[in-house]
Amino acid sequence: KAGVTQTPRYLIKTRGQQVTLSCSPISGHRSVSWYQQTPGQGLQFLFEYFSETQRNKGNFPGRFSGRQFSNSRSEMNVSTLELGDSALYLCASSPGTGVSEQFFGPGTRLTVL
Amino acid sequence: QKEVEQNSGPLSVPEGAIASLNCTYSDRVSQSFFWYRQYSGKSPELIMSIYSNGDKEDGRFTAQLNKASQYVSLLIRDSQPSDSATYLCAGSNSGGSNYKLTFGKGTLLTVNP
Repeated sequence: KAGVTQTPRYLIKTRGQQVTLSCSPISGHRSVSWYQQTPGQGLQFLFEYFSETQRNKGNFPGRFSGRQFSNSRSEMNVSTLELGDSALYLCASSPGTGVSEQFFGPGTRLTVL
Repeated sequence: QKEVEQNSGPLSVPEGAIASLNCTYSDRVSQSFFWYRQYSGKSPELIMSIYSNGDKEDGRFTAQLNKASQYVSLLIRDSQPSDSATYLCAGSNSGGSNYKLTFGKGTLLTVNP
């Protein structure tokens, strides 16, 4: 099975811009979770989608949003970028029912200048 | 108490030794537990999951869960230089949000040849 794919792998933006990141889960997986990883805060949960519905949400401002499509692919959007949004954004794929093992994609490295 | 806490390390062991990584958790994180390995510049890779009290072995890795004491550990036997990485402990939240993983800050392990 192919693994989790994320695009783009690297992104450079300036403050105030917005960005959209994409994630394709493992075939057959219906749950997609998004995490932000920074050196200071570590890995922090953003949100989780299952069957096109947001099922869980972390403690991030409303500038962070996401959605999931009927084919389970997911996008996350960050509006009005701030310098502190520079991070590695990771998408994780899971079957969505039963065990909660999550498998990560390679991540998108976002740099905000 | 933080939801998931790990020994901050770094931990250094000689090749062939046993590396012991520890993690404690709060009541809010009590369903399932996972150990991920993250090489520098890469995304986390799931290496072990454990759901019930006791030990679970997979090759050179043994995960231990003690729900009464609220700790999880990972033992790596016959450590190899290729085991040098950051190890992340994660727990899934109770109350139905079991696809929201809470991560510790990670322990950097160095295995010296």
